[in-house]
Amino acid sequence: DGGITQSPKYLFRKEGQNVTLSCEQNLNHDAMYWYRQDPGQGLRLIYYSQIVNDFQKGDIAEGYSVSREKKESFPLTVTSAQKNPTAFYLCASSEQGGYQPQHFGDGTRLSIL
Amino acid sequence: QKEVEQNSGPLSVPEGAIASLNCTYSDRGSQSFFWYRQYSGKSPELIMFIYSNGDKEDGRFTAQLNKASQYVSLLIRDSQPSDSATYLCAVNQSSYKLIFGSGTRLLVRP
Repeated sequence: DGGITQSPKYLFRKEGQNVTLSCEQNLNHDAMYWYRQDPGQGLRLIYYSQIVNDFQKGDIAEGYSVSREKKESFPLTVTSAQKNPTAFYLCASSEQGGYQPQHFGDGTRLSIL
Repeated sequence: QKEVEQNSGPLSVPEGAIASLNCTYSDRGSQSFFWYRQYSGKSPELIMFIYSNGDKEDGRFTAQLNKASQYVSLLIRDSQPSDSATYLCAVNQSSYKLIFGSGTRLLVRP
């Protein structure tokens, strides 16, 4: 079955630690996205990538980093510079061409220890 | 002014009724509009998208778009308790960027 796989489902970060969230898709989509959702709020865009080896900052990129070395994979690193990382992180993908619907993975819930 | 606005609710309707969810947006250049359903603790699921003015129907769901008035709505006919969820409206700000509203919580009473 085609889809978007995010792992792990739950993640805990210690002070000063970087953590990496995995996102893999087998939908052959060119574009991939990372969003953050805080309780009772909508989704805010962290980073997006339209093509391999290229990505752009979203609205809240500070304290985060990404890479896009393969079409299928778009990992997100939450660095120690992100002072309030507790949130629900969602990865999405869409077809090339713009204005296409985005489809989401099941998400990763990140908490501070 | 928020770019995409939704009433947070909860909107409470009896089972079998029509639920009407509304969304307004600020960018007149927006081209595409999406409705996602999100159950508590789960990720958003795409249920409808619309690009042109007018109505688009899919089963019990109808999306309505009025670009002149800058609003998009979602009607759910014959509402079921399983429709109880938060409904997120999303609007393209550019070809690759979606702006999400904060969502409307829908409760369908048995």
